[in-house]
Amino acid sequence: NAGVTQTPKFRVLKTGQSMTLLCAQDMNHEYMYWYRQDPGMGLRLIHYSVGEGTTAKGEVPDGYNVSRLKKQNFLLGLESAAPSQTSVYFCASSTRVGYTFGSGTRLTVV
Amino acid sequence: GENVEQHPSTLSVQEGDSAVIKCTYSDSASNYFPWYKQELGKGPQLIIDIRSNVGEKKDQRIAVTLNKTAKHFSLHITETQPEDSAVYFCAASTGTSYDKVIFGPGTSLSVIP
Repeated sequence: NAGVTQTPKFRVLKTGQSMTLLCAQDMNHEYMYWYRQDPGMGLRLIHYSVGEGTTAKGEVPDGYNVSRLKKQNFLLGLESAAPSQTSVYFCASSTRVGYTFGSGTRLTVV
Repeated sequence: GENVEQHPSTLSVQEGDSAVIKCTYSDSASNYFPWYKQELGKGPQLIIDIRSNVGEKKDQRIAVTLNKTAKHFSLHITETQPEDSAVYFCAASTGTSYDKVIFGPGTSLSVIP
């Protein structure tokens, strides 16, 4: 049972480039989330999904888009990367009892 | 919306001593309070949680207390060990139709051997 798998684990982008982060869960969870983690700021919710085909904005959605075409996958896209998006990105999934997090993607935008 | 504050931001204790991390929340409708532990280079992992109908919950060396009147909840770790060194996050949720959780800013705990 893999839980929540994030790919890639590391990535360096140039300003203006685009990329997609993939999150996959094998626990049949309805809810999935994307967070970013920055020093001293904890975990901030970017976007979330309450089920296949649904997405909603979180606390810091600007500059990101998401899609949940399949229940097990939640994709986070950066259309035009900016240095302010340098961060560690975590995906999570949940039922109604606690989150399961992936191991994170460290993204650097230069 | 919900706001969760957490103190202290850093905490150093000697091995064997106790550690206490305190959190406050703003939304009186919150009724689910999980705690997560994040080790270096890993994602946060749920270690204990408490619901509003319970005042205290224990699991071996860790315990969580909740004061709904004061909107405070705390994590207590007894007999600390070096492997307890990590960042700890408290969180709060209203447990509505979806389980969106608001996290505190985290506490970096160092246990000195």
